[in-house]
Amino acid sequence: AQKVTQAQTEISVVEKEDVTLDCVYETRDTTYYLFWYKQPPSGELVFLIRRNSFDEQNEISGRYSWNFQKSTSSFNFTITASQVVDSAVYFCALLLTGGGNKLTFGTGTQLKVEL
Amino acid sequence: AAGVIQSPRHLIKEKRETATLKCYPIPRHDTVYWYQQGPGQDPQFLISFYEKMQSDKGSIPDRFSAQQFSDYHSELNMSSLELGDSALYFCASSLGRVGRNYGYTFGSGTRLTVV
Repeated sequence: AQKVTQAQTEISVVEKEDVTLDCVYETRDTTYYLFWYKQPPSGELVFLIRRNSFDEQNEISGRYSWNFQKSTSSFNFTITASQVVDSAVYFCALLLTGGGNKLTFGTGTQLKVEL
Repeated sequence: AAGVIQSPRHLIKEKRETATLKCYPIPRHDTVYWYQQGPGQDPQFLISFYEKMQSDKGSIPDRFSAQQFSDYHSELNMSSLELGDSALYFCASSLGRVGRNYGYTFGSGTRLTVV
């Protein structure tokens, strides 16, 4: 069975601080995909990134960066120079291609960025 | 670019009533997924369809049913509504297997309130 753990329930930072959101996953499959989504107060799920299990290259997109380490089954997300608009719930999710392509979400991390 | 369209955005129903949620996938996407997100919870997979056939089933109550039509839109029918059905319902779409499609796109959701 697959599982995603986001141990940080809530994180509060001051604007311009860097913040890292942790994600640890469990699966016995060798082929899988990992996702991050942002859910602002308005409620929609905004896609941020998808990474497949064979691509361990880290990725940077503007202020966002992701660190994928298969050795520790982690897919952590870092926001550099956080802004108030980054305040949202962030979900990490796992998709097994042999599991009907459904996403298994972590419980989410509420990020609050204050002035 | 066209996104996943869900209607209605908000719905208020009384206990024991019936509700129908609609989802229009991204053009040419052949797979639709439904998720339920309770207050303060992570999204939970309900059901999915590929080429108009049910492809996977999650923790969907027997009171709920869904189908995908010839134009690939999908409807989630919920009968004998209970207070606990109050949630945000998301639809997502993809083109076949995720490996051949970038992302896993969600609609803006339908917020169902049962009173």
